[in-house]
Amino acid sequence: GENVEQHPSTLSVQEGDSAVIKCTYSDSASNYFPWYKQELGKRPQLIIDIRSNVGEKKDQRIAVTLNKTAKHFSLHITETQPEDSAVYFCAASRGGADGLTFGKGTHLIIQP
Amino acid sequence: DAGVIQSPRHEVTEMGQEVTLRCKPISGHNSLFWYRQTMMRGLELLIYFNNNVPIDDSGMPEDRFSAKMPNASFSTLKIQPSEPRDSAVYFCASSFDQGTIATDTQYFGPGTRLTVL
Repeated sequence: GENVEQHPSTLSVQEGDSAVIKCTYSDSASNYFPWYKQELGKRPQLIIDIRSNVGEKKDQRIAVTLNKTAKHFSLHITETQPEDSAVYFCAASRGGADGLTFGKGTHLIIQP
Repeated sequence: DAGVIQSPRHEVTEMGQEVTLRCKPISGHNSLFWYRQTMMRGLELLIYFNNNVPIDDSGMPEDRFSAKMPNASFSTLKIQPSEPRDSAVYFCASSFDQGTIATDTQYFGPGTRLTVL
């Protein structure tokens, strides 16, 4: 089955700086890669996703890049703000009605 | 629009008791997923359904766990008998899959926090 590795487990950045979280996956058939943000005690919420026919996608301060050859994808957050502090999860699936395989999560801490 | 609804939000029970978690997917969605979240194991897929049919239950940890989806608007996850190691947050998620024009996006419910004493 699919295996998703996520790094780092904890990331502390100064407010206003950029944050990058990286994930690798093992199943070459995976073609859908969402990122979820989870605040303490809350549900995971989708912040951005990318499909295998696209190399990069951007939504305001958030961007995701995908390298299918190397089987890795990354989340980039620019101009970080205190409200970006949360746990971020990457995931992979074969798309359609397939279940998601999640990475272990990255605790992002924005230092004022 | 109502999102995914789960009940109960919190459940505290004693070892050996039966536990039933409930989920109502977003109206019109045809795929439903059950996930479990713990500090040690993170977010794990337990089972998922498409058009009320179980597709993959390989993530169900043991025979003590079972899930049903009797209709498009309701699913249950049952643990019988429950054990302390089953303590976790259980999330239900739903999505709309049109086959070749799949939308993929899974929307999570608020979760049920289960504590087994």
